[in-house]
Amino acid sequence: DAGVTQSPTHLIKTRGQQVTLRCSPKSGHDTVSWYQQALGQGPQFIFQYYEEEERQRGNFPDRFSGHQFPNYSSELNVNALLLGDSALYLCASSFDAGQGESYTFGSGTRLTVV
Amino acid sequence: EDQVTQSPEALRLQEGESSSLNCSYTVSGLRGLFWYRQDPGKGPEFLFTLYSAGEEKEKERLKATLTKKESFLHITAPKPEDSATYLCAVHSDAGKSTFGDGTTLTVKP
Repeated sequence: DAGVTQSPTHLIKTRGQQVTLRCSPKSGHDTVSWYQQALGQGPQFIFQYYEEEERQRGNFPDRFSGHQFPNYSSELNVNALLLGDSALYLCASSFDAGQGESYTFGSGTRLTVV
Repeated sequence: EDQVTQSPEALRLQEGESSSLNCSYTVSGLRGLFWYRQDPGKGPEFLFTLYSAGEEKEKERLKATLTKKESFLHITAPKPEDSATYLCAVHSDAGKSTFGDGTTLTVKP
């Protein structure tokens, strides 16, 4: 049973560019959450998608947007990249959004903005 | 605003030397408190969920407990393979999750 799959694993972008990260949830999961993890810090909640809609959002600017597809996979888009956007981006899937279930995390996408 | 504070930031133990990690939290309606283990370059791996004060859960050398203000992760007779960063997170009734910055545990043989 495949867990959460994220692509790409590593990415280097130039300041001002746009990036799209992808996530396939664990089989049987219908909810996808995205997190940003800076070096030495805990993951920061970006947003959560359930039934193809953004259900919850953390304190991130509108440059961060997302999408969930009918097969529950998800994309995270970041526009006008800043140096401070360099981080590990984690996708987590769960079943039945908002029910306090544990999340299954992917291994993340390491984004470097130069 | 929900808040999670973990202490200590780093902990070095000798193999077999038991200790505890602390997670203090404030949350507007706790739906669940989670413990995760994270190895370098990997995503967090789920360990436990605790839902109410007084609850305890165990897995191998790890035991998690919960009060109304904090949670402890007790590590009994740790081994070098227990070395990792341990993350605590709270999930609120509003549907948001807040993580602490973790405790990095190093167990020396």
